[in-house]
Amino acid sequence: ELKVEQNPLFLSMQEGKNYTIYCNYSTTSDRLYWYRQDPGKSLESLFVLLSNGAVKQEGRLMASLDTKARLSTLHITAAVHDLSATYFCAAGGGATNKLIFGTGTLLAVQP
Amino acid sequence: ETGVTQSPTHLIKTRGQQVTLRCSSQSGHNTVSWYQQALGQGPQFIFQYYREEENGRGNFPPRFSGLQFPNYSSELNVNALELDDSALYLCASSLAVWSGGTDTQYFGPGTRLTVL
Repeated sequence: ELKVEQNPLFLSMQEGKNYTIYCNYSTTSDRLYWYRQDPGKSLESLFVLLSNGAVKQEGRLMASLDTKARLSTLHITAAVHDLSATYFCAAGGGATNKLIFGTGTLLAVQP
Repeated sequence: ETGVTQSPTHLIKTRGQQVTLRCSSQSGHNTVSWYQQALGQGPQFIFQYYREEENGRGNFPPRFSGLQFPNYSSELNVNALELDDSALYLCASSLAVWSGGTDTQYFGPGTRLTVL
């Protein structure tokens, strides 16, 4: 059974600093997703990673995938307050592409 | 292009009652998935519908049921509500890979269900 683990669960960081969120999954997965969720809101799609070595960047966020290590990372560069949210990774694939979500990382960027 | 919409936004029910939640897919999408997100947790897969047929189910009891209509909108029905059913219910639509899509799921705003 596919399981997804994220760490850290909570991350408090200062504006301007860099940090990385880690996402491990237990069995082979066709694709890896990153979503952002603001309090009381729905999930916003950030990245879809489909192959080993895939790297995608949008603004201050960069996601990568290592299928051999079953690891994806979300790197935050020079954090700003607007990035404060909960970030989820999710592994999918198979006939339904049902998403198995990690526990989420609550990111708080302090001025 | 319209996004995924859900109704109602909030709902309060009492234990033992039944509830129906509704979802309209993003234009052009033919697959709808439903997820339950309890407070402080990641979403959990309930089931998926593709062209009006159930196409996969998570670890939820039969009192969770669904429908998909010819226009690809969808309903989630929950019978005999329990306190633990209190959660944010999210639907997500996608265009299946075999239909020329990418399977990327786009989520609606959710329905927050409170069971008292």
